Amino acid sequence: DQQVKQNSPSLSVQEGRISILNCDYTNSMFDYFLWYKKYPAEGPTFLISISSIKDKNEDGRFTVFLNKSAKHLSLHIVPSQPGDSAVYFCAASETHAGKSTFGDGTTLTVKP
Amino acid sequence: DGGITQSPKYLFRKEGQNVTLSCEQNLNHDAMYWYRQDPGQGLRLIYYSQIVNDFQKGDIAEGYSVSREKKESFPLTVTSAQKNPTAFYLCASSGTTLHKPDYEQYFGPGTRLTVT
Repeated sequence: DQQVKQNSPSLSVQEGRISILNCDYTNSMFDYFLWYKKYPAEGPTFLISISSIKDKNEDGRFTVFLNKSAKHLSLHIVPSQPGDSAVYFCAASETHAGKSTFGDGTTLTVKP
Repeated sequence: DGGITQSPKYLFRKEGQNVTLSCEQNLNHDAMYWYRQDPGQGLRLIYYSQIVNDFQKGDIAEGYSVSREKKESFPLTVTSAQKNPTAFYLCASSGTTLHKPDYEQYFGPGTRLTVT
């Protein structure tokens, strides 16, 4: 049973437009959510996170929104740039669990 | 520079041989993790350790073994019992998330293991 799902394997957007990446989860005990970015043949790097007590966190061009009632979070990138092209992983953590659960990732392609 | 290193970047082994993947960190992190990534798939947790001399099985631990004798090191052994060992292996570290979840993981560059 996959507890963190990213239902869109890929997304293509034009440079300068908004990219919206979605993530759904099933475990109501998750209390912290993170987004990671990954280039091919490299390890993921942390991008942005949000605590379950918030509904929005913003860092420059990146904003994460959390809807706890729907068990849904999204990552908005505005404006999108060609360098944003990568695989984006959503991850969720639960206090005391000592680990994170990752989604399968969404491949974002930003076209010049 | 602080960071997490994995070696080697590429590793080739014959079927039936055990192989050990190295992971070292100098970030003074308590927690370390091993993940496996297959083409087109996400990160699947193999083993994790929140403190020295203690570790837990992740979602796909069968055919793998680990040790955590030092805070800085968390080697992963892929045994001959692992049915499909060819994959990209990622090691990560973080502050311990046992009491609070808000620590991001820092990943190494990965080791691509090919078993023929």
